[in-house]
Amino acid sequence: GNSVTQMEGPVTLSEEAFLTINCTYTATGYPSLFWYVQYPGEGLQLLLKATKADDKGSNKGFEATYRKETTSFHLEKGSVQVSDSAVYFCALSEIDSGNTPLVFGKGTRLSVIA
Amino acid sequence: EPEVTQTPSHQVTQMGQEVILRCVPISNHLYFYWYRQILGQKVEFLVSFYNNEISEKSEIFDDQFSVERPDGSNFTLKIRSTKLEDSAMYFCASSESGSTGELFFGEGSRLTVL
Repeated sequence: GNSVTQMEGPVTLSEEAFLTINCTYTATGYPSLFWYVQYPGEGLQLLLKATKADDKGSNKGFEATYRKETTSFHLEKGSVQVSDSAVYFCALSEIDSGNTPLVFGKGTRLSVIA
Repeated sequence: EPEVTQTPSHQVTQMGQEVILRCVPISNHLYFYWYRQILGQKVEFLVSFYNNEISEKSEIFDDQFSVERPDGSNFTLKIRSTKLEDSAMYFCASSESGSTGELFFGEGSRLTVL
């Protein structure tokens, strides 16, 4: 079946540090890939997505590139801010299959300190 | 900005009791979902609902679970006889389309079964 593995947290960084959160996936078909973020006291919200190989999703300074050859979708940001402190979830969905539910990773908690 | 709302935010119950978790999805959305996250584990899909019926459910969603959209605005998850292992954060989500993978999540309802 489909699954997502992301790096264990928590991750603690100083402001303006470079961030990488690794995510790899296993899928039977050709999935679309997502990063969701959960800020304290809020629900999960879509951060970015990519629907085919070599696509780069980007939003709020975050980027992730769909790498089919390595089955990866690592999240990166060049310079994190305190406001980026949140839990980040990598997810996949085989959209061509119709109403297919998202499959999530465990989540990685990021804490950015000033 | 429209949002998904969930109540209660936290419920504590005794083993064997019935629990109903409530969700108000975004008003023009057609697809509804319940996910759960046991502490320290992955966000797991429970069930999806479209056109007043379950469209997909996971192995977790056994006979103890049921969903309902009683009045066109609420979307409820009922656990008939709670077990200790039902303790988790339950997330409701909705989407406009079942094919884009973008879900809008509520803040979650934390269920603690004693």
